[in-house]
Amino acid sequence: GAGVSQSPSNKVTEKGKDVELRCDPISGHTALYWYRQRLGQGLEFLIYFQGNSAPDKSGLPSDRFSAERTGESVSTLTIQRTQQEDSAVYLCASSVIASYTDTQYFGPGTRLTVL
Amino acid sequence: AQRVTQPEKLLSVFKGAPVELKCNYSYSGSPELFWYVQYSRQRLQLLLRHISRESIKGFTADLNKGETSFHLKKPFAQEEDSAMYYCALSDHGNTPLVFGKGTRLSVIA
Repeated sequence: GAGVSQSPSNKVTEKGKDVELRCDPISGHTALYWYRQRLGQGLEFLIYFQGNSAPDKSGLPSDRFSAERTGESVSTLTIQRTQQEDSAVYLCASSVIASYTDTQYFGPGTRLTVL
Repeated sequence: AQRVTQPEKLLSVFKGAPVELKCNYSYSGSPELFWYVQYSRQRLQLLLRHISRESIKGFTADLNKGETSFHLKKPFAQEEDSAMYYCALSDHGNTPLVFGKGTRLSVIA
């Protein structure tokens, strides 16, 4: 089947605007993760969803960042009032379950540029 | 706090030479360690993980708890091994991965 997909692949926005990034996980995967990769940095965990449990938001850098997921399907990451430091590649990953032994499958990422 | 360190940003080796990509971690418990790879124009994908004790594409990695290391090794590098490699750690009770900054491996013909 299809892998994890993300849209848009590229997004250029002006400082202060809101953006929405979308992730479609692999069908049947109950766990979904968002990571951020800034230039020259490793991947930074943002948030993850596991089934109907409350999401783990411990990695969100500020209250401008939020994410939603409906059931075990699509997730949307929203960044309000974007800042230049938000420029990064945003990666989504999914796994069958949220277990440390379970492989996370990554999407191609969304490259966000805030001017 | 958990931390993964990859000291080399770039590693260049000749084809056929041995390669070792270094990874050190900081964690008080017994983490699970992973290596992810990103080839040019492809998405990030799992290469291997400690718990499976496997060899993938000729690569192996041994967890050394005394040195808190999980170095990735291959005895004979191939051109197709050129990619970005990320070491990652997972806490048993907390599944999001903690990544290092990555090492770009360049295999020269």
